[in-house]
Amino acid sequence: DAKTTQPNSMESNEEEPVHLPCNHSTISGTDYIHWYRQLPSQGPEYVIHGLTSNVNNRMASLAIAEDRKSSTLILHRATLRDAAVYYCILRDVNYGQNFVFGPGTRLSVLP
Amino acid sequence: KAGVTQTPRYLIKTRGQQVTLSCSPISGHRSVSWYQQTPGQGLQFLFEYFSETQRNKGNFPGRFSGRQFSNSRSEMNVSTLELGDSALYLCASHNRPSGGAGETQYFGPGTRLLVL
Repeated sequence: DAKTTQPNSMESNEEEPVHLPCNHSTISGTDYIHWYRQLPSQGPEYVIHGLTSNVNNRMASLAIAEDRKSSTLILHRATLRDAAVYYCILRDVNYGQNFVFGPGTRLSVLP
Repeated sequence: KAGVTQTPRYLIKTRGQQVTLSCSPISGHRSVSWYQQTPGQGLQFLFEYFSETQRNKGNFPGRFSGRQFSNSRSEMNVSTLELGDSALYLCASHNRPSGGAGETQYFGPGTRLLVL
């Protein structure tokens, strides 16, 4: 599996936008970029995924660099409930592989 | 639609014992994956089942095993427990075998196992 690199931790103020970066310089053309998050004492939950184009859903936006070597998860207005560990994961569409989770980014949201 | 359920939620065992954990996937989902989460190693893939067949297996010793039933419910078993097996065991439900565009896994709350 291609590797991803994320900052260990980030901090944000409540109601401000948050940009969570992910580097994946060895990404292949068939790798999808997935983001999951894990709230305290819960299992991971799906946030968003994309291949080449930027994606938006009710939870977040995903901005993918033109060369696809990096991406950014954008939370438009952070709330206290968004405090979690965010995982950026690459998955090849052609192979039956399960998620390989890195250490993720621990996001703290300050009131 | 009900989410993924895992039982029990908490479990305390002693070294040498064995344990069985259960996972009920989302209705209609035929694939179940298991993960182990520890503070030191993070989230690690154990195995995946689809239609009662193991499709993928992670790098864990043979003490870790699993199975899936015809109703898609899955169990995992750990024999001869060691202290290092203390972890949160997570089950994920998905609609088809891993892979494929946009395939999303839905995780349960996990079973927290403590081995004394």
